[in-house]
Amino acid sequence: NAGVTQTPKFRVLKTGQSMTLLCAQDMNHEYMYWYRQDPGMGLRLIHYSVGEGTTAKGEVPDGYNVSRLKKQNFLLGLESAAPSQTSVYFCASRPVRVGSEQYFGPGTRLTVT
Amino acid sequence: SQQGEEDPQALSIQEGENATMNCSYKTSINNLQWYRQNSGRGLVHLILIRSNEREKHSGRLRVTLDTSKKSSSLLITASRAADTASYFCATDGGRGGSNYKLTFGKGTLLTVNP
Repeated sequence: NAGVTQTPKFRVLKTGQSMTLLCAQDMNHEYMYWYRQDPGMGLRLIHYSVGEGTTAKGEVPDGYNVSRLKKQNFLLGLESAAPSQTSVYFCASRPVRVGSEQYFGPGTRLTVT
Repeated sequence: SQQGEEDPQALSIQEGENATMNCSYKTSINNLQWYRQNSGRGLVHLILIRSNEREKHSGRLRVTLDTSKKSSSLLITASRAADTASYFCATDGGRGGSNYKLTFGKGTLLTVNP
């Protein structure tokens, strides 16, 4: 099992450009999450999904969109990147069972200039 | 807003010593989890403690939970250089809150010197 994988690992964007981050999990998990991690801020939830075809906003959703067309994939889109979106992005997944742990991907380091 | 807050923000100890990290949270919870993050990596789950539990052990890890004080502590005994990492507590929504989401604290950076 690969677990949770993220593509790409690194990316540099210019302000105003768009991109999509891909998260894939092979554990048949229902729930998937996108977080951003900034120095001194811990992890903040951007969007999450409780099943294929469903998405919901987290703590910091502005400037991001997501889609969960397939159970194993969760895409995070930046339509018009801003320097404030420079961060490390983590995807996570977990099974439905209450109190289960989240499994994290290795992260994508995004720099917006 | 952040639910969990770890204390201290940074901790430096010698190999073989014990390391204690604390977490405080604001609202009721169902579960509290601790995660570890090595530099440049994703988070890895360490241990979960339920709101009706007071203490839990896993190898060299000991977690306590005091729901009356809304606080938890993570003790790592006989620390090793390989324990150097950031440690995060995470809480779920509790009564009336969401079981889907976790809220993470800002983390404690632990450095274990050889």
